[in-house]
Order: sequence, then C-alpha cells, then structure tokens
Amino acid sequence: GQQLNQSPQSMFIQEGEDVSMNCTSSSIFNTWLWYKQDPGEGPVLLIALYKAGELTSNGRLTAQFGITRKDSFLNISASIPSDVGIYFCGGSGAGSYQLTFGKGTKLSVIP
Amino acid sequence: DGGITQSPKYLFRKEGQNVTLSCEQNLNHDAMYWYRQDPGQGLRLIYYSQIVNDFQKGDIAEGYSVSREKKESFPLTVTSAQKNPTAFYLCASSIPKTGGPRGYTFGSGTRLTVV
Repeated sequence: GQQLNQSPQSMFIQEGEDVSMNCTSSSIFNTWLWYKQDPGEGPVLLIALYKAGELTSNGRLTAQFGITRKDSFLNISASIPSDVGIYFCGGSGAGSYQLTFGKGTKLSVIP
Repeated sequence: DGGITQSPKYLFRKEGQNVTLSCEQNLNHDAMYWYRQDPGQGLRLIYYSQIVNDFQKGDIAEGYSVSREKKESFPLTVTSAQKNPTAFYLCASSIPKTGGPRGYTFGSGTRLTVV
C-alpha cells in the first residue's frame, strides 16, 4: 500500500515561533489534506490541496503541494498556545477514494 | 448544520462481547470510512464503503464487521475475535472523486475500552 512519512514526530516550540512540518510519500499523490486533532476529538480539516505546486493559506497556516507530487509541507507562523495538538497529513493517489495518513506531528507550545 | 455523529463517546466492553459503534452523517456523502487510532500509530483504515450495500476491507479489518444499509449510516461492530480492541475509533465520510476525495470529514470519535 501507499506509505506516508510525516516529520517531525513531535516539536516543542516557544510561543511566537514559526513551525514547519512535512510529509513525503512513496508514490505520486493527487490530493494532500492537513488536519489538526485536539485530545479526545476527531481531526478537523485545516487545508486541502489538489494541484501540484498549489500553495494555500488559512490564517497563520500555509500548506504546499510539492511539484513532484510526492510531498507536502505545513507551516504555522507566530504560534500561539491554542496551536497545541496533533497535526496529520493525509493523501490519496490516482484511482484511490480514501486517504492514507501520516503518523502525526505532536506540537507543544511553551508560553 | 451538516456533520458526522458518532456514538457513544465512551464504550466499555467485557472480554468476549461484541459491541457496535454508531456513525451517522447528514452531509449526503457517498463514501464512509472507519479508522482506528492508537498512540503513535496514526490512523489505520478498518473498512470503507463507497456506496450503499457495498463495503471493502481496509488494512486492519480482522475482528471487525460493518454494514451499509443506508447512505447516512455505517455502523462498526467490534467482535470478540478482535484481540486488542482498546483504541480510539474514528468515522469519516467524503465525496469520492477521481481527482481525490472531497469534503473528507471526521466524527468526534468513540473511545472503546476492554474491561
């Protein structure tokens, strides 16, 4: 099956710092989605990307669909305490209707 | 507002019992999915269904069963054959398209604990 590597596994940052995380796949994807999960809750969609090279922002969040179609990154600028949580990337390849997910990046923000 | 409702939020099961987790959506999505989440493991696909009365096994289907009799509903049964069922279970739905699924939405999850 499709393999997705997400890094880093965890991050501890100071409030106000910028954050970057990324996902790489073993095969070409045509969709990349980024989610945030709070403890005990389901993941919530942050950004959806459907075209290679696409760069999309949602407030302080920016995500890009890599031009090789095998990677994507998510940046968070000027982090705040409520950014704490687990961030997941999900992707799907040609002919696939379901997402494969990375193992998540756990973000901790130190006030 | 449209969304996905999972119930119950917490569920306790005795050894040897079957339990059923409910998932209902009013998003008019054709596709529905069940994932299992364990600490450090990410989201692993159990079963998925693209249309009513049809479903496919995911990566970890052993010990689980599903049905899709209505578009809105996709219940998951955790059977006694599942040796390690304690986990957080997430249901999702989407609009399947050849260019990639649209509107991939998750429920708030059910935490199942074996006692």
